[in-house]
Amino acid sequence: EPEVTQTPSHQVTQMGQEVILRCVPISNHLYFYWYRQILGQKVEFLVSFYNNEISEKSEIFDDQFSVERPDGSNFTLKIRSTKLEDSAMYFCASSRAGTAEAFFGQGTRLTVV
Amino acid sequence: QQQVKQSPQSLIVQKGGIPIINCAYENTAFDYFPWYQQFPGKGPALLIAIRPDVSEKKEGRFTISFNKSAKQFSLHIMDSQPGDSATYFCAAMRGTSYGKLTFGQGTILTVHP
Repeated sequence: EPEVTQTPSHQVTQMGQEVILRCVPISNHLYFYWYRQILGQKVEFLVSFYNNEISEKSEIFDDQFSVERPDGSNFTLKIRSTKLEDSAMYFCASSRAGTAEAFFGQGTRLTVV
Repeated sequence: QQQVKQSPQSLIVQKGGIPIINCAYENTAFDYFPWYQQFPGKGPALLIAIRPDVSEKKEGRFTISFNKSAKQFSLHIMDSQPGDSATYFCAAMRGTSYGKLTFGQGTILTVHP
């Protein structure tokens, strides 16, 4: 069964460093998303991406964050200068259409020290 | 107004019991209501979803009941099994906000053998 894959599974970084989280969405999906989940809290929407541009973003997704689809298969989330409060599980998701069900990856646990 | 409120925070049932998880929303523009199941260390996985034109949807042992006038929806798990022990999230989405799911706080379900 096709699945969304994310790498790495766990990333530890120093405060102020840049990190790039990577995702390979399901191959025939056109819409891509990033969500995050701070430990013990709910899953929060960060950004949606379609046709090589951001469709919607939340207030969490400030200038420190950016997304890119550098080739036909990868979808990345970059955090330019990490803060302690960026520590969370980051989930990539994809869907065939904007109103179709979203499939989530297994997540990347980001720890900022 | 964008929030989805979920209760209870945690729920313990015996095998064979019928746990019920409730969600309420304010934004009447929401028109897609999925439930996700999440096991520790994994991403959320879609269980079942409903749109407001029906009051109930059943898939296997999982049933969503939807009350449009009360702006509430709930998940029932029939004949619950220990393998159903997980965190369950309700979510909601506006048709015009592609992929922007607003999640509830989550319910930790424990099914004892």
